[in-house]
Amino acid sequence: QQQVKQSPQSLIVQKGGIPIINCAYENTAFDYFPWYQQFPGKGPALLIAIRPDVSEKKEGRFTISFNKSAKQFSLHIMDSQPGDSATYFCAAAYTGNQFYFGTGTSLTVIP
Amino acid sequence: GAVVSQHPSRVICKSGTSVKIECRSLDFQATTMFWYRQFPKKSLMLMATSNEGSKATYEQGVEKDKFLINHASLTLSTLTVTSAHPEDSSFYICSANRDRGPFGTEAFFGQGTRLTVV
Repeated sequence: QQQVKQSPQSLIVQKGGIPIINCAYENTAFDYFPWYQQFPGKGPALLIAIRPDVSEKKEGRFTISFNKSAKQFSLHIMDSQPGDSATYFCAAAYTGNQFYFGTGTSLTVIP
Repeated sequence: GAVVSQHPSRVICKSGTSVKIECRSLDFQATTMFWYRQFPKKSLMLMATSNEGSKATYEQGVEKDKFLINHASLTLSTLTVTSAHPEDSSFYICSANRDRGPFGTEAFFGQGTRLTVV
């Protein structure tokens, strides 16, 4: 059973556009929601993370929006650049336990 | 940020041989490390949870005798693929959880190991 559902599977945007990737979860015990960026042949790197006590978090061009009642969270990339082209994974975890990953979104930013 | 080092990054081995992959947390102690397998254009599939000083916990369908995990210290976990077959060829990734106290836990990933069995 997929604990975290992620969409879309792939996304193509023009440079400067704002790609949005969505994730949904079921387990209300989750209290940590990170996003990871992965380039081909590399391990995932932590991009930004949020806890359920806030509805939004910004770090640079990356923003997480969190809707606790809907059990959904999303990643927005402002002013996207070709260098942002990568696979993005959302995840959910409860403190000290394993992380559950979404299925990934392949993002392509066209120059 | 915290660093998790995985070695080797690439390995090619012959069928029937064994391969050891190391995962080290360089600047923090990790009582728990995780091993994942990732197929091309797919998500990470958790194989096992490695616990320092005790036996690893394997996910359903993962052969514990084939994928040997040893977590000998708070900074090192190893995955040994025994009697490797071509179908074991994959990208293997480890992660280590860093406890940040009231800020919770963060997961940091190694660089991954591309295993090719010929």
